[in-house]
Amino acid sequence: SQQGEEDPQALSIQEGENATMNCSYKTSINNLQWYRQNSGRGLVHLILIRSNEREKHSGRLRVTLDTSKKSSSLLITASRAADTASYFCATDAGGTSYGKLTFGQGTILTVHP
Amino acid sequence: EPEVTQTPSHQVTQMGQEVILRCVPISNHLYFYWYRQILGQKVEFLVSFYNNEISEKSEIFDDQFSVERPDGSNFTLKIRSTKLEDSAMYFCASSGSGLDYFGPGTRLLVL
Repeated sequence: SQQGEEDPQALSIQEGENATMNCSYKTSINNLQWYRQNSGRGLVHLILIRSNEREKHSGRLRVTLDTSKKSSSLLITASRAADTASYFCATDAGGTSYGKLTFGQGTILTVHP
Repeated sequence: EPEVTQTPSHQVTQMGQEVILRCVPISNHLYFYWYRQILGQKVEFLVSFYNNEISEKSEIFDDQFSVERPDGSNFTLKIRSTKLEDSAMYFCASSGSGLDYFGPGTRLLVL
């Protein structure tokens, strides 16, 4: 089964608008993380939210987690052209799989200047 | 800020050849991982390594793959006989305090 599936697959917005990306997962988690990847480059860690947290903020980023629905959302406010990238959620089931991440398919975000 | 490093950044090899991808994890981390990302696809877990042994591996990580921590700093992924479908970006990661740090990746192209 797929763990960590994002929607939409692609999102195109204008600079200054907000971008919301959603992630769903299937099994219980220890934490959920969001990563950013510029085209063909490495993974940049954005934010981690633990299973006992409901919301977390970091600068223009806001992440929510609903463990009852097994879903998370990433909101980027006042987007900039430089936010153009792929965004992935990744779940950490914890336990014996300490630190092992299961990634979703990602959302390709394009921010037009 | 500490970071995970990987070498080489790019590697081109012929099908059937052996490749070794190298990683230097963050020095006080104890958990190490390899992931791969085929072009246009999601990042996939390959293997985790702790206390000098594999703690978990995916079904992708078959007999052609092996990992090693040959000294106190390096962590390597060896692909014994590369196939065309091994072409991908390979990421190393290390974990401390529950947070994973990823390296910049090695782009492997098998011809």
